[in-house]
Amino acid sequence: ETGVTQTPRHLVMGMTNKKSLKCEQHLGHNAMYWYKQSAKKPLELMFVYNFKEQTENNSVPSRFSPECPNSSHLFLHLHTLQPEDSALYLCASSHRTGFLFGEGSRLTVL
Amino acid sequence: AQSVSQHNHHVILSEAASLELGCNYSYGGTVNLFWYVQYPGQHLQLLLKYFSGDPLVKGIKGFEAEFIKSKFSFNLRKPSVQWSDTAEYFCAVNKNAGGTSYGKLTFGQGTILTVHP
Repeated sequence: ETGVTQTPRHLVMGMTNKKSLKCEQHLGHNAMYWYKQSAKKPLELMFVYNFKEQTENNSVPSRFSPECPNSSHLFLHLHTLQPEDSALYLCASSHRTGFLFGEGSRLTVL
Repeated sequence: AQSVSQHNHHVILSEAASLELGCNYSYGGTVNLFWYVQYPGQHLQLLLKYFSGDPLVKGIKGFEAEFIKSKFSFNLRKPSVQWSDTAEYFCAVNKNAGGTSYGKLTFGQGTILTVHP
């Protein structure tokens, strides 16, 4: 348990499916992030939200659509993904003194 | 843009050997520096962090790291590794704004440590 909760922990979807990943924290952190962790690649920042506003989109394809309805919740909506999108998607939140990561959602696209 | 470089992709040691994992970053401003560990099948966990003050930082599980500003380095060390230290280690950096953590973390590519009993 890290304080940042991600659901589902595992997801298998076809290329035509629509699914969502959810992240929540009740730590009072004002910033939330989506990172992608693929095999043999560095952790890639996808999106940054500060006080519910998106402040960074790291050239992520539009088939990934983030949503931050409030400072405690962050979603990643998935639509028409490709097999190469299979990865571990990590949510993180931060405040003054550092970052906390969730345990990740392992996504497999068939 | 800031970047982080970890020198070794895979390090293999025997138990009780000493460990040093290299990390260099490129960013001209004031930074915060982090080392994270990811054990097999588990989430990222913070080992230690440097914000300011003593450049020798002690973390959990006997790890320490030294910030050398002139070399833009933040190497991770442990005097005597154990089999249970087998994991992947990530160095990360972000901007230090007013003494606090600010903005995205940029990660190195990770170093896999395998410790043989």
